[in-house]
Amino acid sequence: GAVVSQHPSWVICKSGTSVKIECRSLDFQATTMFWYRQFPKQSLMLMATSNEGSKATYEQGVEKDKFLINHASLTLSTLTVTSAHPEDSSFYICSGASGDHNEQFFGPGTRLTVL
Amino acid sequence: GQNIDQPTEMTATEGAIVQINCTYQTSGFNGLFWYQQHAGEAPTFLSYNVLDGLEEKGRFSSFLSRSKGYSYLLLKELQMKDSASYLCAVLDSNYQLIWGAGTKLIIKP
Repeated sequence: GAVVSQHPSWVICKSGTSVKIECRSLDFQATTMFWYRQFPKQSLMLMATSNEGSKATYEQGVEKDKFLINHASLTLSTLTVTSAHPEDSSFYICSGASGDHNEQFFGPGTRLTVL
Repeated sequence: GQNIDQPTEMTATEGAIVQINCTYQTSGFNGLFWYQQHAGEAPTFLSYNVLDGLEEKGRFSSFLSRSKGYSYLLLKELQMKDSASYLCAVLDSNYQLIWGAGTKLIIKP
């Protein structure tokens, strides 16, 4: 099956700093990548959808200036959490989909803890 | 609005069978997915249904009725490792995945 990697797996940072999370599709071209956030004991919440080479589409309530998404190539998307605060602590998961949208392949997730 | 409903939690016994139901109301339909998610890990794909009927894959089967907006995931010969959350998700007309809140399945020996 298709493989998606995320880096880092976990990160701890101080409040006010910025954190970048990378999402890579290793063996397929992800024309669309999705970024999710999951708080404990809750389901996945879609944050944004990005297509390669174009601006991301953010879900309602997600601040695009705080969560910067770049999808510069068919195999790499990055999410930067700017000026992170403790309430941003969460499990961030990316997924990639090829031209056939019938399945999303998930990365292993990044656990962010903001102190 | 779009809505996916599934039970919050279920308990079953090792070796038994359990059925996890999912009902949905979405703008359009391009398929229904079931994912398994262990605590602290990302979801992993279990099944995809786009036509009515039952799809069997080993110990797991998934059923879809589009007219009823209903699906279920059937797990047979339950093992302790099946303890996880099971997420139902529907691909809507815009090819956006609409997620249910997940069903936490607890397996008891």
